Amino acid sequence: AQSVTQLDSQVPVFEEAPVELRCNYSSSVSVYLFWYVQYPNQGLQLLLKYLSGSTLVKGINGFEAEFNKSQTSFHLRKPSVHISDTAEYFCAVSFAGGTSYGKLTFGQGTILTVHP
Amino acid sequence: NAGVTQTPKFQVLKTGQSMTLQCAQDMNHEYMSWYRQDPGMGLRLIHYSVGAGITDQGEVPNGYNVSRSTTEDFPLRLLSAAPSQTSVYFCASSRSALGPSSGNTIYFGEGSWLTVV
Repeated sequence: AQSVTQLDSQVPVFEEAPVELRCNYSSSVSVYLFWYVQYPNQGLQLLLKYLSGSTLVKGINGFEAEFNKSQTSFHLRKPSVHISDTAEYFCAVSFAGGTSYGKLTFGQGTILTVHP
Repeated sequence: NAGVTQTPKFQVLKTGQSMTLQCAQDMNHEYMSWYRQDPGMGLRLIHYSVGAGITDQGEVPNGYNVSRSTTEDFPLRLLSAAPSQTSVYFCASSRSALGPSSGNTIYFGEGSWLTVV
């Protein structure tokens, strides 16, 4: 079975500063990796996903993530955050094979708070 | 442009009551699933379905029943609600469970906030 650990439960940052939200996963087989964002009292929105190929993945709203297979990590980064980026961010994985694509295992979530 | 529709959005139940959370998708997706979200625990898979008539348990199935009589609908039933089932519930769907082939995006509903008192 796979597992996902988001290393920071809360990340405070000032507006226009860079941010990194950390995600590590554990799996004995190949996985697909996802980052979702959830704004207060709303549903989940896909930021980006790694399926295969280039390890640097660019997503929406200026976010990017890098897949590091040797360190089993998929950290999310943004070079300059805005107040509107304040939200909870979830890292998720699914097995790369069989009928497991939609069976996501989520991390605990990281609350990003951007201060003016 | 409906996507994945969940109803109700908010519900308060008394302990022991039963209810059904509805999930419908209009994209002819084979794969549908239910998650619950609890603070500090992320989202956890309750039940899933790879097609009409086929369902299976996820990580936290106890206290919940599902059925999939049509491709479009995947209701989640709480037979006897308990305070531990207070949570936010998300339904998700994708065209297939076989992998990220072209266009096989996983879509989430807007969530259903359930409080059991």
